[in-house]
Amino acid sequence: NAGVTQTPKFQVLKTGQSMTLQCAQDMNHEYMSWYRQDPGMGLRLIHYSVGAGITDQGEVPNGYNVSRSTTEDFPLRLLSAAPSQTSVYFCASSWGPEETQYFGPGTRLLVL
Amino acid sequence: GENVEQHPSTLSVQEGDSAVIKCTYSDSASNYFPWYKQELGKGPQLIIDIRSNVGEKKDQRIAVTLNKTAKHFSLHITETQPEDSAVYFCAASIIGADGLTFGKGTHLIIQP
Repeated sequence: NAGVTQTPKFQVLKTGQSMTLQCAQDMNHEYMSWYRQDPGMGLRLIHYSVGAGITDQGEVPNGYNVSRSTTEDFPLRLLSAAPSQTSVYFCASSWGPEETQYFGPGTRLLVL
Repeated sequence: GENVEQHPSTLSVQEGDSAVIKCTYSDSASNYFPWYKQELGKGPQLIIDIRSNVGEKKDQRIAVTLNKTAKHFSLHITETQPEDSAVYFCAASIIGADGLTFGKGTHLIIQP
């Protein structure tokens, strides 16, 4: 099993550009989530999904969109990147929000 | 919403000594409390968790204690080793709710 994979590992964007951060898991987990990690801020929940076709907002959803068309994939879209979105982004999957979260290796995003 | 406070932000201990990291939470409905370890350049990894019907849980050199009355839980690492050096995050969740709320992390440094 590959576990949770994320691509790309690193990305530089200009303000206003759009991009999609990819996340995939091969553990057949129903629950998937996206977090951002900023220095001194811990991890903050952006969006989550409890199953294919179902998504909801977390603590810091503004500026991000998600979709869940399959159990395996949960992409995160930035429609118009802003410098405030410079961060490290982690995708996680599990059997539920109160079960062990398996995190991917992260995507480091720099918005200029 | 839930608020999780974590202390200290940095902890330096001599190899072989014990380390204690403390967290408090605000929502008395929270009933799931995991601890994650994050090594440099990697995603967080669960090391131990506890649910509200248990006061203490131990796994080899790692233990977690929970005081629901005080809304306080702690991570204890005994006989620390160099490989314990990492950033540790506590988190809290209400079972059935949307996801985890993380503390801001503790950078644990093991001095040789």
